[in-house]
Amino acid sequence: SQQGEEDPQALSIQEGENATMNCSYKTSINNLQWYRQNSGRGLVHLILIRSNEREKHSGRLRVTLDTSKKSSSLLITASRAADTASYFCATLGPAGNKLTFGGGTRVLVKP
Amino acid sequence: DGGITQSPKYLFRKEGQNVTLSCEQNLNHDAMYWYRQDPGQGLRLIYYSQIVNDFQKGDIAEGYSVSREKKESFPLTVTSAQKNPTAFYLCASTPVGSYNEQFFGPGTRLTVL
Repeated sequence: SQQGEEDPQALSIQEGENATMNCSYKTSINNLQWYRQNSGRGLVHLILIRSNEREKHSGRLRVTLDTSKKSSSLLITASRAADTASYFCATLGPAGNKLTFGGGTRVLVKP
Repeated sequence: DGGITQSPKYLFRKEGQNVTLSCEQNLNHDAMYWYRQDPGQGLRLIYYSQIVNDFQKGDIAEGYSVSREKKESFPLTVTSAQKNPTAFYLCASTPVGSYNEQFFGPGTRLTVL
């Protein structure tokens, strides 16, 4: 089963614009993580936010978490063509032994 | 360099044949995972192992088998019982007790002819 559902499924923006994607989940979590995947490659971890945190920053990335709404958002500021990839949210449940991934948002940044 | 390797990168199989995908890590991680990814979709968990000689089924274990005889290795066998095995397979690892990131291999693309 997929806990996370991401929105939108695809996003096309111009270089320099911001990209925002959302993730909703269904059950309680220990933390929520965002990963990036370039076409045909493995996933790379971007950022983690714990259930008791509301916002986190890392470089051009900003993640928010609203546990009351069971949702998270990832914002990429000042996007670059190299940000073109698929982005996945993943939730770690209270047992802490496995991640559940969403369906992903495919981002295209046009130069 | 520390990391996770998967081989082969591309694999072709005839219907009715079993095939084994390799996953090796030199990160000294205790836990290892196998995921399946279909085109345009997210990752689904097949099997995972948190310690040598022990493993648990994930969400879609039917038609797959694994072993964990060494800490560094977690091979996945796709059996003939798997009805639709064509997919991209990803292996990952993480230290047990760490609630942090999983480290992924580059993946194996399996095509059944």
